[in-house]
Amino acid sequence: QKEVEQNSGPLSVPEGAIASLNCTYSDRGSQSFFWYRQYSGKSPELIMSIYSNGDKEDGRFTAQLNKASQYVSLLIRDSQPSDSATYLCAVNILYSGGGADGLTFGKGTHLIIQP
Amino acid sequence: DAGVTQSPTHLIKTRGQQVTLRCSPKSGHDTVSWYQQALGQGPQFIFQYYEEEERQRGNFPDRFSGHQFPNYSSELNVNALLLGDSALYLCASSFSYGYTFGSGTRLTVV
Repeated sequence: QKEVEQNSGPLSVPEGAIASLNCTYSDRGSQSFFWYRQYSGKSPELIMSIYSNGDKEDGRFTAQLNKASQYVSLLIRDSQPSDSATYLCAVNILYSGGGADGLTFGKGTHLIIQP
Repeated sequence: DAGVTQSPTHLIKTRGQQVTLRCSPKSGHDTVSWYQQALGQGPQFIFQYYEEEERQRGNFPDRFSGHQFPNYSSELNVNALLLGDSALYLCASSFSYGYTFGSGTRLTVV
């Protein structure tokens, strides 16, 4: 049974600071790693994907992957009140012939950016 | 470019009834997955359809069934509804391995 663990929070961060969100996963075969942002009552929105060890940066967001430790993190720099949302970590496995299996999600971390 | 569209947006059903939810994938996407998200939880994978067949199934009872049509659109059917089936049902489409989610169907079972 694949599992993804996240601290549910809430995580409170002052505006302009760095928000750090963490996620661990149980299946060592996991190959794709995603961070989704979900506002209350809305559907998840993909903000970052990462497939190899190391850091991947996109604007104010940086995803970090450490497969040896089975650990994924998301850093949000210069946090804004609009970043307040639930952040979902998800993993899956790629099929050799193309495509991928269903996503396994964590329960999400509720992030609050304090103005 | 239309994204993933789901219908209806909201639905209220009575215990024991049956419900059908619909999903049209993003243009160019050939794979459709369905997820159930209970309040305060992460989405749970129900099943995935590819080439009109169920390719993978999560830990959900047989009351949950689906279908994919030749145009890649999909339906999720739930029979014998239980109160615990109340949730946000999300459809996600993909080509290769990038997933795009629809806005979801909020199902309330009373």
